[in-house]
Amino acid sequence: NAGVTQTPKFRVLKTGQSMTLLCAQDMNHEYMYWYRQDPGMGLRLIHYSVGEGTTAKGEVPDGYNVSRLKKQNFLLGLESAAPSQTSVYFCASSPTGEGTEAFFGQGTRLTVV
Amino acid sequence: SQKIEQNSEALNIQEGKTATLTCNYTNYSPAYLQWYRQDPGRGPVFLLLIRENEKEKRKERLKVTFDTTLKQSLFHITASQPADSATYLCALGGVDGNNRLAFGKGNQVVVIP
Repeated sequence: NAGVTQTPKFRVLKTGQSMTLLCAQDMNHEYMYWYRQDPGMGLRLIHYSVGEGTTAKGEVPDGYNVSRLKKQNFLLGLESAAPSQTSVYFCASSPTGEGTEAFFGQGTRLTVV
Repeated sequence: SQKIEQNSEALNIQEGKTATLTCNYTNYSPAYLQWYRQDPGRGPVFLLLIRENEKEKRKERLKVTFDTTLKQSLFHITASQPADSATYLCALGGVDGNNRLAFGKGNQVVVIP
């Protein structure tokens, strides 16, 4: 079972460039999430989705956009990358919204120079 | 403001002893609390969930307590082993039905053989 797969694993961007991070889950989960993890900050929720075609803002949404066109995929876009977006990004999914465990991907390490 | 506090100092513990980690929170009213394990370069992995009406939960060598009056959860690893060395994250949830989790910064455990 693949679980939650993130693509790419590593990326270096120049300031102002754009990119899309892909998250795919094969567990038929309804809920999907994008977090960023920075040293000393813990995991912070960027955006999330409660089902195909839905998205919502999390704690730190500025500078990011998301789309959930298919149930199994959740895309995170950076339109104009900034050095402050250097971070490790984690995608997660959960079966339902109430108290169920979240399954995380292996992370994408993004550096913006 | 809302805070989730975990000890920033690593816990060094002798193999075979019990490791105890603390998660304190303020200005949250979580319906449940989860604990995750994170190894370097990997995504968090779910360990245990405890709900607000539960005092204690156990899973193998792990035990979690949840005191909503003290606004605190304790996480115990009994008979610790070097393989238990990792960072442990607490996460609060249940503010809404979307399983949005608010994470602490994590507490590193180092088990010394």
